[in-house]
Amino acid sequence: AQSVTQPDIHITVSEGASLELRCNYSYGATPYLFWYVQSPGQGLQLLLKYFSGDTLVQGIKGFEAEFKRSQSSFNLRKPSVHWSDAAEYFCAVGSSGAGSYQLTFGKGTKLSVIP
Amino acid sequence: EPEVTQTPSHQVTQMGQEVILRCVPISNHLYFYWYRQILGQKVEFLVSFYNNEISEKSEIFDDQFSVERPDGSNFTLKIRSTKLEDSAMYFCASSREGLVDTQYFGPGTRLTVL
Repeated sequence: AQSVTQPDIHITVSEGASLELRCNYSYGATPYLFWYVQSPGQGLQLLLKYFSGDTLVQGIKGFEAEFKRSQSSFNLRKPSVHWSDAAEYFCAVGSSGAGSYQLTFGKGTKLSVIP
Repeated sequence: EPEVTQTPSHQVTQMGQEVILRCVPISNHLYFYWYRQILGQKVEFLVSFYNNEISEKSEIFDDQFSVERPDGSNFTLKIRSTKLEDSAMYFCASSREGLVDTQYFGPGTRLTVL
């Protein structure tokens, strides 16, 4: 069964500092990987996704993520964090191609930004 | 930009009562989903729906749950007899043909069962 681990429950960074949120997945085949962000009181907004091809993917709001098959990781990065990035971030894996389209989510990482 | 909408934003109900959570998916999407997030826990898949039938469901989605697309725009989740442990945030999502894996989520309905 597929699974996602986000080892950091809560991360605090200063505004302008760089950010890396970790995500490790377990899946038998080539995974479909996603990062979503949830601001307080809001739904889940898709930041970026990886299906195949270039292992470095660009997303919205200046985020990027790198797929590393050897490490089963899909870490999210941003070179300079803004106060508005404070939110909860969820990594997810999909299993399309096996007749299933459900997403499996990690527990999330809450990001706090210090002005 | 089109988005998924959900109503109500917050529903409070008594244990044993029936609730219906409503969703309006993005208009040209054909795949619909429900997920839930119990406070402090991860987002969990409940069910997927395509071509007017359930295509997949999780162990959570037992006989107390049902889904329906009553018209061309709404997608509903019904819980027949709510339990305390049904208290959660319920998210609706949709995706389109050809890009099924890219799911767009609504803002959620917070269900509180007393």
